[in-house]
Amino acid sequence: QVQLQQSGPGLVKPSQTLSLTCAISGDSVSSNSAVWTWIRHSPSRGLEWLGRTYYRSEWYNDYAVSVKSRISINPDTSKNQFSLHLNSVTPEDTAVYHCARESASGWVDFWGQGTLVTVSS
Amino acid sequence: SYVLTQPPSVSVAPGQTARITCGGNNIETKSVHWYQQKPGQAPVLVVYDDSVRPSGIPERFSGSNSANTATLTLSRVEAGDEADYYCQVWDGISDHQVFGGGTKLTVL
Repeated sequence: QVQLQQSGPGLVKPSQTLSLTCAISGDSVSSNSAVWTWIRHSPSRGLEWLGRTYYRSEWYNDYAVSVKSRISINPDTSKNQFSLHLNSVTPEDTAVYHCARESASGWVDFWGQGTLVTVSS
Repeated sequence: SYVLTQPPSVSVAPGQTARITCGGNNIETKSVHWYQQKPGQAPVLVVYDDSVRPSGIPERFSGSNSANTATLTLSRVEAGDEADYYCQVWDGISDHQVFGGGTKLTVL
């Protein structure tokens, strides 16, 4: 059974960088069939896909257009985890952030517990 | 980019059938996945690839996909089905996952 354990601060000041980590157990960040994803949820915007990282003989990333200039998602093979960095945050980035695993066929089958991140001074 | 359109809310009496739609241009050419999300919880996959139920999901949940509309059908609705439901597809043109805006199912 895959488990995803998130960590990171719940409060970030405007203009600073939001950073979260997702530790994987039961699978490998370097898996050739899994995709590792960040998704956020807010009452006003519902579920919003942010981006993903995956390994297919080399590392790939895809990012949502809405955050592409501010986001990076990075694997850490030594710790079997991946991270989200979103810079220049504003109050509109306030949301519950989930890490997740996408199956090779595109649906999300495992989710992290979620982290409420509030952007406020 | 690809857009998925869901009704904001659907209401149904217990024991009746609820149908939640997800509209998209030629959506029948895509695989549609559905999630149930209850307050304070992570989403749960209830249907994938248009109509397949993951193990542990009751047979009351079913899905279909035709033309420009995919539909999640909940038969014999129970109070515990009250939640937000989201459809999702992969847009291969933009290399994006796309979620619908979500539908709040209310059990009267």
